Amino acid sequence: GENVEQHPSTLSVQEGDSAVIKCTYSDSASNYFPWYKQELGKRPQLIIDIRSNVGEKKDQRIAVTLNKTAKHFSLHITETQPEDSAVYFCAAPSPGYQKVTFGTGTKLQVIP
Amino acid sequence: KAGVTQTPRYLIKTRGQQVTLSCSPISGHRSVSWYQQTPGQGLQFLFEYFSETQRNKGNFPGRFSGRQFSNSRSEMNVSTLELGDSALYLCASSFSSGGEGTEAFFGQGTRLTVV
Repeated sequence: GENVEQHPSTLSVQEGDSAVIKCTYSDSASNYFPWYKQELGKRPQLIIDIRSNVGEKKDQRIAVTLNKTAKHFSLHITETQPEDSAVYFCAAPSPGYQKVTFGTGTKLQVIP
Repeated sequence: KAGVTQTPRYLIKTRGQQVTLSCSPISGHRSVSWYQQTPGQGLQFLFEYFSETQRNKGNFPGRFSGRQFSNSRSEMNVSTLELGDSALYLCASSFSSGGEGTEAFFGQGTRLTVV
């Protein structure tokens, strides 16, 4: 089955700096890679996703890059703000999207 | 459009008891997945249902079971509760019928505490 590893588990950055979170996956057939943000006490919510036919996708201060050869994808947050503080999860659904394996999460703290 | 609704929000049970959690997906969504979230283990996949059929199951003991009704509402049952079952149980619904990836929308979760 799919195995997803996520690093780092915690990340502290100064406000305005960039943050990068990396995930690797094992199933080369995976073709959809979402990122979820979970604020304290709230439900996970999708912030960005990427499909295997593109290498990068941007949405304002957030970007995701995908390297299918190396089987890893990364979340990039630029100009971080205190409201970016949350736990971020990457995920790799198995082909057929019937089973989703999540990374173990990265707790991001943005220090004002 | 209403989001994913989970009931109850909080539950306290005693070891050995059984519990049933409910999840109502977004209207039109036929796929419902269940996850267990704990501080040390992140989000662990329990199972996924589509059109009343369980299509995949995670690595949990048989004490964890579920079902889906014709209106796509889903229930999850845990029998013979153990202290280690204390966790936040999240369900997520999506429009996907399989083969393509689509956004999963999560409910607020049910916080289960086993004492």
